[in-house]
Amino acid sequence: NAGVTQTPKFRILKIGQSMTLQCAQDMNHNYMYWYRQDPGMGLKLIYYSVGAGITDKGEVPNGYNVSRSTTEDFPLRLELAAPSQTSVYFCASRPRQGKSNQPQHFGDGTRLSIL
Amino acid sequence: QQQVKQSPQSLIVQKGGISIINCAYENTAFDYFPWYQQFPGKGPALLIAIRPDVSEKKEGRFTISFNKSAKQFSLHIMDSQPGDSATYFCAASLDLETSGSRLTFGEGTQLTVNP
Repeated sequence: NAGVTQTPKFRILKIGQSMTLQCAQDMNHNYMYWYRQDPGMGLKLIYYSVGAGITDKGEVPNGYNVSRSTTEDFPLRLELAAPSQTSVYFCASRPRQGKSNQPQHFGDGTRLSIL
Repeated sequence: QQQVKQSPQSLIVQKGGISIINCAYENTAFDYFPWYQQFPGKGPALLIAIRPDVSEKKEGRFTISFNKSAKQFSLHIMDSQPGDSATYFCAASLDLETSGSRLTFGEGTQLTVNP
């Protein structure tokens, strides 16, 4: 059971380039999330999805896009990379089980530098 | 708008001591308050969580104290060990399917336990 898998682990981009951060989970979780983590700022929610075909913006969506064509995959796309997008990106998932709170399971992150 | 505020930003404790991290929240509709632990190079992982209908929850050396009237909650780590050295995040959420049970995180506390 791999859990939440993020690829790549590290990436350096030039300003203006585009790329897709991949996230896959094998736990059949309905909910998936993308966060960015900056030093001293905690984790900020970029986008989230409650199921295949359904996505919504979080706190800091500008400059990013997502899609959710399957339950397993939730890729995050940067169209025109900017230095402000240098960060560590985390993908997470959790099951939907009525009103019981379930923990979010996180991947190990993608460390992205924009130069 | 910062809805969950965490302090201190960093904390140094001697082995065997008590580590205390505090959080305050603004949204009185939050109904789930987890603490996540993050080691370097890894994603956050759920440590312990509480709902607002109880004032305290204990799991081993870790205790959450919750004060609903003050809109504050704290993590206490008893008999702190060097292996507890990590970054700790408090969070809060509404368990609503329409909002994806999104978590709002505090800024994080870097805990160092000296041997």
